Amino acid sequence: GEDVEQSLFLSVREGDSSVINCTYTDSSSTYLYWYKQEPGAGLQLLTYIFSNMDMKQDQRLTVLLNKKDKHLSLRIADTQTGDSAIYFCAESTGNYQLIWGAGTKLIIKP
Amino acid sequence: ETGVTQSPTHLIKTRGQQVTLRCSSQSGHNTVSWYQQALGQGPQFIFQYYREEENGRGNFPPRFSGLQFPNYSSELNVNALELDESSLYLCASSGTGASTGELFFGEGSRLTVL
Repeated sequence: GEDVEQSLFLSVREGDSSVINCTYTDSSSTYLYWYKQEPGAGLQLLTYIFSNMDMKQDQRLTVLLNKKDKHLSLRIADTQTGDSAIYFCAESTGNYQLIWGAGTKLIIKP
Repeated sequence: ETGVTQSPTHLIKTRGQQVTLRCSSQSGHNTVSWYQQALGQGPQFIFQYYREEENGRGNFPPRFSGLQFPNYSSELNVNALELDESSLYLCASSGTGASTGELFFGEGSRLTVL
């Protein structure tokens, strides 16, 4: 069946890079997404990658996709306290129906 | 441009009651999706409406029903509430022009079932 898995927590020091990993199972996914959820706020799209791409860079964010291993990662360079949030990986199944991971809580240490 | 708004933001119901949650989609968007997000979990897809018709459904019982109106706003109705349906209910809108499938989320309605 469809499943998206992420580790639940990641702790990094301010200024370091954060790498959040995700594995998915649906090889027919066309898009894979990273969403951010801050306390009391809705889910916000951070970035996405099309399934025929290996990498996408957007300012401090770098997304890597290994389609063979069904592995997706999000790297945040120069992590700041404002990056504290829960990060969700999601895959599309068509018609905008997304399958989501349980989220990785990013904790920033001073 | 008005974003996705949901109401109420918080509510408490007792087991067996019925609840209606409301969502106004982002201007120009004709598709609305509803998700249930339990504490510490990712969102689970409930269903999607496109031009007032249900256009896909997740693994939820028929007690979960919806409506979409001509102005593309939407309602989620749940009958005979169960305790484990205490969750954050999220509405997301999208437009057919958005080929990337990006969803725009509201802040959610937090439902507590006692």
